[in-house]
Amino acid sequence: QKEVEQDPGPLSVPEGAIVSLNCTYSNSAFQYFMWYRQYSRKGPELLMYTYSSGNKEDGRFTAQVDKSSKYISLFIRDSQPSDSATYLCAMSAGGYQKVTFGTGTKLQVIP
Amino acid sequence: GAVVSQHPSWVICKSGTSVKIECRSLDFQATTMFWYRQFPKQSLMLMATSNEGSKATYEQGVEKDKFLINHASLTLSTLTVTSAHPEDSSFYICSAMSRDNPDTQYFGPGTRLTVL
Repeated sequence: QKEVEQDPGPLSVPEGAIVSLNCTYSNSAFQYFMWYRQYSRKGPELLMYTYSSGNKEDGRFTAQVDKSSKYISLFIRDSQPSDSATYLCAMSAGGYQKVTFGTGTKLQVIP
Repeated sequence: GAVVSQHPSWVICKSGTSVKIECRSLDFQATTMFWYRQFPKQSLMLMATSNEGSKATYEQGVEKDKFLINHASLTLSTLTVTSAHPEDSSFYICSAMSRDNPDTQYFGPGTRLTVL
């Protein structure tokens, strides 16, 4: 079993839809949870960063962490074609421990 | 803030030559830098962790004599692919951890290496 599981997609949604992206994990030591967006042939860009359980909102993006279920989510409201990219979840135990990435979910927002 | 640059952004070389890729943190000090490679439609694969002033720690299966890493300062790490072969062709991405925020990695834009 992989430490971090993420559905690779692809996920296609119409413009304006609410997108839900998810990851599950097995390592209970993970405390820091990140979402990265990666456009084709570019490096990943940090979108959201959360510590422990709870919700965090930034504009159209909301990150949720449920440590009891070992489940994290990223919601995108009012999705735009420019949101089309691969979204990677990532997590670590902190303290300079290495970050473990999901395989990424490819999202396509159709105009 | 938290900008990481890589140079070059793409490189084509002949088989058997060596290629050096630079990773710089532009506006923060990075005590730790990471090197990844990414194949098409796959996720990031961690190659090594580089701490300033010390030897890099390589992941299992990564040849340290082939992928030389130097982290000479708090803002610069280099990856040298020695005696490159076509199977080394990949997208190489570095990331850096800020000394002030050690739980988040900031990524460079990547370097696409093609070995002929």
